[in-house]
Amino acid sequence: EVQLVESGGGLVQPGGSLRLSCAASGFSFIRIAMGWVRQAPGKGLEWVSTISGSGGSTYYTDSVKGRFTISRDNSRNTLNLQMNSLRAEDTAVYYCAKHLDYGGKQYFDHWGQGTLVTVSS
Amino acid sequence: DIQMTQSPSTLSASVGDRVTLTCRASQSINSWVAWYQQQPGKAPKLLIYKASSLESGVPSRFSGSASGTEFTLTISSLQPDDFATYYCQHYDTYPYTFGQGTKLEIK
Repeated sequence: EVQLVESGGGLVQPGGSLRLSCAASGFSFIRIAMGWVRQAPGKGLEWVSTISGSGGSTYYTDSVKGRFTISRDNSRNTLNLQMNSLRAEDTAVYYCAKHLDYGGKQYFDHWGQGTLVTVSS
Repeated sequence: DIQMTQSPSTLSASVGDRVTLTCRASQSINSWVAWYQQQPGKAPKLLIYKASSLESGVPSRFSGSASGTEFTLTISSLQPDDFATYYCQHYDTYPYTFGQGTKLEIK
């Protein structure tokens, strides 16, 4: 059974930093691209970032480029999101999600339960 | 960036109804569309991928279709557990984008 468990959320002041982690189990982690999707309170879903299985390729939405860094530790089956220079608009539930490759394209087939990040003074 | 526009924003329906939700892409995405269901306070759940392929374990009352840049999710006979918010998402190229969601409410 696929399990994705996020941690690291919390309250942080504007301009501060936070590191999210996602512990993965139940599948061959090293072969699978992983991503982060966020949802601001009462709002819709927003794709944030994706990393390839090897970690060699990373992708970001424009609003977080230069501030967020996605990474993975394939020896520990862990996905990370380092968030710097946080803004109020980064306040959201952050979901870790597993990609599935189909026909060379990758959609999200499993999601974690999410961790809340609140950016406020 | 590719925009995904869902309609309607809210849909009121009754148990047993057949409903259709629509998602329109701003350009061709070759049916690289997924549909997700989200219950309040829960993580999204995959229903459909590649516009019309049903995810394993998802009831057959859910179906998806595509016509050009317009994509639809149909629920053939609404069940109480189906009242939720539904999102489409394209995964053709980065950045991936989601539609703004359709909230399915009990009439």
